[in-house]
Amino acid sequence: AQSVAQPEDQVNVAEGNPLTVKCTYSVSGNPYLFWYVQYPNRGLQFLLKYITGDNLVKGSYGFEAEFNKSQTSFHLKKPSALVSDSALYFCAVRDNGGGADGLTFGKGTHLIIQP
Amino acid sequence: NAGVTQTPKFRVLKTGQSMTLLCAQDMNHEYMYWYRQDPGMGLRLIHYSVGEGTTAKGEVPDGYNVSRLKKQNFLLGLESAAPSQTSVYFCASIDFIIGEQYFGPGTRLTVT
Repeated sequence: AQSVAQPEDQVNVAEGNPLTVKCTYSVSGNPYLFWYVQYPNRGLQFLLKYITGDNLVKGSYGFEAEFNKSQTSFHLKKPSALVSDSALYFCAVRDNGGGADGLTFGKGTHLIIQP
Repeated sequence: NAGVTQTPKFRVLKTGQSMTLLCAQDMNHEYMYWYRQDPGMGLRLIHYSVGEGTTAKGEVPDGYNVSRLKKQNFLLGLESAAPSQTSVYFCASIDFIIGEQYFGPGTRLTVT
């Protein structure tokens, strides 16, 4: 079975500072990893994904994530936070050799950027 | 190209009433999914479909039924709504070639 852990319910960062939202995962095979963002009363928007290749993945809105196989982590990062980055962030995983039952999501992390 | 659409956007039901949520996608994806989102719980898979005429249970299927009569549509039914089914429901489809899941805008359901 696959699982995702987002250990922080909320992350508070001052505008202009770097931010990190943590994610660790568990799969039996090789992982496909994703980050999605959800703004209030909206659906989930895709940010970035790791399928294979470079461990540092760049995505939308200046976000990036680093895949670390030994630590089974896929932390989301941004060098300089904006107030508009405040939202709910979900990490998700799928086993690339697994079945059709879609992505497994973490419980989400509220990111709050303070002016 | 509308992507994934859901109707309705909002609905209020009384306990015991029934309703159907419609999901449609125009990307020719084989796989489609229904999730529910509850505070502090993330997204949990209700049912999914790997193609027209097929359905399968996810993590939390009780109280829901689904049908996939056409490839582009995936219906989620509540036969007898309960307050525990108050949630936001998301439909999604997946492009297995590029490994990305596409989500609809959600349906906010309240059962009183």
